[in-house]
Amino acid sequence: KAGVTQTPRYLIKTRGQQVTLSCSPISGHRSVSWYQQTPGQGLQFLFEYFSETQRNKGNFPGRFSGRQFSNSRSEMNVSTLELGDSALYLCASSYTTGGQNTEAFFGQGTRLTVV
Amino acid sequence: AQSVTQPDIHITVSEGASLELRCNYSYGATPYLFWYVQSPGQGLQLLLKYFSGDTLVQGIKGFEAEFKRSQSSFNLRKPSVHWSDAAEYFCAVGTSGRGSTLGRLYFGRGTQLTVWP
Repeated sequence: KAGVTQTPRYLIKTRGQQVTLSCSPISGHRSVSWYQQTPGQGLQFLFEYFSETQRNKGNFPGRFSGRQFSNSRSEMNVSTLELGDSALYLCASSYTTGGQNTEAFFGQGTRLTVV
Repeated sequence: AQSVTQPDIHITVSEGASLELRCNYSYGATPYLFWYVQSPGQGLQLLLKYFSGDTLVQGIKGFEAEFKRSQSSFNLRKPSVHWSDAAEYFCAVGTSGRGSTLGRLYFGRGTQLTVWP
């Protein structure tokens, strides 16, 4: 069974630009979560989608958005990039039973550098 | 509020020595507990999980962890460390609640493990 796939692996963007990151979950997983990882703040939760609906959202500005498609693939978008958005963005997928997620499986991440 | 504390930022052990990484959590009900490992520039790999039942859980790569409710701890152990175990280790808590905790994991700040040959 294929794992969680994130594309692209690396991105370099300029301040003020926008970026879209993609995540394909494990087959059969309907929950997709996104995390931002930085040396200073550690792993921070961005949002979680289940069946195309955002179920939960972390404490990030509105420049960070996401969506989920009917095939459970998810994208996250960051608009008006700032230097502080440079980070490793991790996507995780989970199998859900009774509305509750089981363990999360993570992708390799997308390394975003804003210059 | 839910939180996870990993008291040790960096641990150094010799190859072949035993290892224990500490994790304490704060959560009002029975949590779902996880340990993940991350190599530089990579994603997180699940080592083991606790949902319910036996409080001593076995994971991959020879790791085990014990859930102690009275101490709100979930420490990771390995009897004999290999050089390839050098990485960063994260403890995480998932909740069975609804609302703002649904679908998310709370992570500790990680423990960096260095293994001396």
